[in-house]
Amino acid sequence: NAGVMQNPRHLVRRRGQEARLRCSPMKGHSHVYWYRQLPEEGLKFMVYLQKENIIDESGMPKERFSAEFPKEGPSILRIQQVVRGDSAAYFCASSPTRLETQYFGPGTRLLVL
Amino acid sequence: GQQLNQSPQSMFIQEGEDVSMNCTSSSIFNTWLWYKQDPGEGPVLLIALYKAGELTSNGRLTAQFGITRKDSFLNISASIPSDVGIYFCAGQSTSGTYKYIFGTGTRLKVLA
Repeated sequence: NAGVMQNPRHLVRRRGQEARLRCSPMKGHSHVYWYRQLPEEGLKFMVYLQKENIIDESGMPKERFSAEFPKEGPSILRIQQVVRGDSAAYFCASSPTRLETQYFGPGTRLLVL
Repeated sequence: GQQLNQSPQSMFIQEGEDVSMNCTSSSIFNTWLWYKQDPGEGPVLLIALYKAGELTSNGRLTAQFGITRKDSFLNISASIPSDVGIYFCAGQSTSGTYKYIFGTGTRLKVLA
């Protein structure tokens, strides 16, 4: 009965590199949400995806950030040309349908040097 | 856009005391969720509320969905040291894509 899986748990990148964060939802869940959390702050919604579709990306920065949830495989949050301000914890959550409770993964902590 | 005000921001209490925290919104929500986050971990769901006026318990935790659908509160009775952490409320939008909006968190510290 695996929960939401995220990897890597910790990721260090130098400015200008790319960061790829992976999220495998709970079994039977086809809705995935990504959130960003800065130290001492709450969770900020970034993007909501269903298999092969982006449903709501209103929280995504317009540049350098992209997300996908392919038919097969995990959801990917991709950050190109990272900057120090991208350093944060990135959490993924999943739910069976859009109206049901979300369950969170352990997060990926990104540090940009 | 929709916003959630969560209070208090932080609190220090003595072991054994009861704790109360709440969230208020500028607009109505369909669902309220309460999560707890330990350092270095992801939020863990504590209680889910689906109907206005609903009162739900989970062990020493009790949460209520406000009648106006714009607020919710969480109570913890007889706090213990492992209750320390950050508590988040989340409300589900009633329109658009039904995404969840999170409160800013209540940081709880329990003094033994």
